[in-house]
Amino acid sequence: DTAVSQTPKYLVTQMGNDKSIKCEQNLGHDTMYWYKQDSKKFLKIMFSYNNKELIINETVPNRFSPKSPDKAHLNLHINSLELGDSAVYFCASSQVETSDEQFFGPGTRLTVL
Amino acid sequence: LAKTTQPISMDSYEGQEVNITCSHNNIATNDYITWYQQFPSQGPRFIIQGYKTKVTNEVASLFIPADRKSSTLSLPRVSLSDTAVYYCLVGRGSNYKLTFGKGTLLTVNP
Repeated sequence: DTAVSQTPKYLVTQMGNDKSIKCEQNLGHDTMYWYKQDSKKFLKIMFSYNNKELIINETVPNRFSPKSPDKAHLNLHINSLELGDSAVYFCASSQVETSDEQFFGPGTRLTVL
Repeated sequence: LAKTTQPISMDSYEGQEVNITCSHNNIATNDYITWYQQFPSQGPRFIIQGYKTKVTNEVASLFIPADRKSSTLSLPRVSLSDTAVYYCLVGRGSNYKLTFGKGTLLTVNP
């Protein structure tokens, strides 16, 4: 049973395209996150949702738009993809928004050509 | 958020005990210390968390001195499968966001 799942695992696309990454958690957690890990392996938070409500929005270009249809899903839509968007994107969840124990998905490797 | 400093890399051998130390000189009173592990091509995994003294679970131990300006993650009898990047994080509070540093790449050799 996969706790936090992401699709697709790999995504290769051209500059300027629009793409989405889906995330689902079956842990019954209230809070979900999106992180970006760049080529230097730095892992930085992008967004956080608690019960479908946005609670953290780091300095992320507005081309990135998270969408949470319900508290088990947090999808990431990216418009007008740029070369610098190439990275591994991780979805995570935690039981409550103040929890330090977050459960991460397997990651989606996005390559923009 | 308190800044953390850890060694970039460490080498060890199977069966040894490994201690990874993290410095966090400006840790705040309400801050907790959390360690994560990340294998290649996988998301980070929570290992252990503590506030002071010693915490132990089935995977590791965490030692925190009285001044809390540093902490040591101890992995008993490592195996090849413990080769991973280990991250030390410090912070806590509402709207909490994990801030990962560069981590320590632990390589366990046969």
